[in-house]
Amino acid sequence: KAGVTQTPRYLIKTRGQQVTLSCSPISGHRSVSWYQQTPGQGLQFLFEYFSETQRNKGNFPGRFSGRQFSNSRSEMNVSTLELGDSALYLCASSFTPGQGAGEQYFGPGTRLTVT
Amino acid sequence: AQSVAQPEDQVNVAEGNPLTVKCTYSVSGNPYLFWYVQYPNRGLQFLLKYITGDNLVKGSYGFEAEFNKSQTSFHLKKPSALVSDSALYFCAVRDAPYSGGGADGLTFGKGTHLIIQP
Repeated sequence: KAGVTQTPRYLIKTRGQQVTLSCSPISGHRSVSWYQQTPGQGLQFLFEYFSETQRNKGNFPGRFSGRQFSNSRSEMNVSTLELGDSALYLCASSFTPGQGAGEQYFGPGTRLTVT
Repeated sequence: AQSVAQPEDQVNVAEGNPLTVKCTYSVSGNPYLFWYVQYPNRGLQFLLKYITGDNLVKGSYGFEAEFNKSQTSFHLKKPSALVSDSALYFCAVRDAPYSGGGADGLTFGKGTHLIIQP
């Protein structure tokens, strides 16, 4: 099976712009989670989706949003970018239907740089 | 609320020696516990998990971890370290559904750099 894919892999944006990141989960996986990884804060949970519904949301401002489509692909959007949004954004998919016991399979991440 | 602590930023071990990477957690209900590894310029890879049952769980690449409920710990261990084990290791936790905790996503520790010296 193909792994989790994320596009684009690298992105450079300017403060105030918005950005959309895409994630395609492993075939058959219906749960998708997003994380932000920075040297200072480590790995922080953004949101989790299952069957097109957001099940959990981390402690991030409303500028961060996401959605999941019927084919389980997911997108996250960050509006009004700030310098502090520069990070590696990781997507992970899981087979277990939303109960949380399933291990997550991570994509390679999208490296976002805000200038 | 749930949290994870990895008290050591870095652990240095000589090749062939046993290794331990420490993790303690806090959850409101029963924990689901995970270990992941991140190699340079690569995504995270799943190593092992504790959901229920036997306190000693075995995972990939010869790693194992012991769940200790009284000490709220889930330390990662390997009997004989390899240079190729050098990487960044993350412990993660979430509340089990319907166990009294909140419906939060997965919470990760800050990570521990494991350095295996030849």
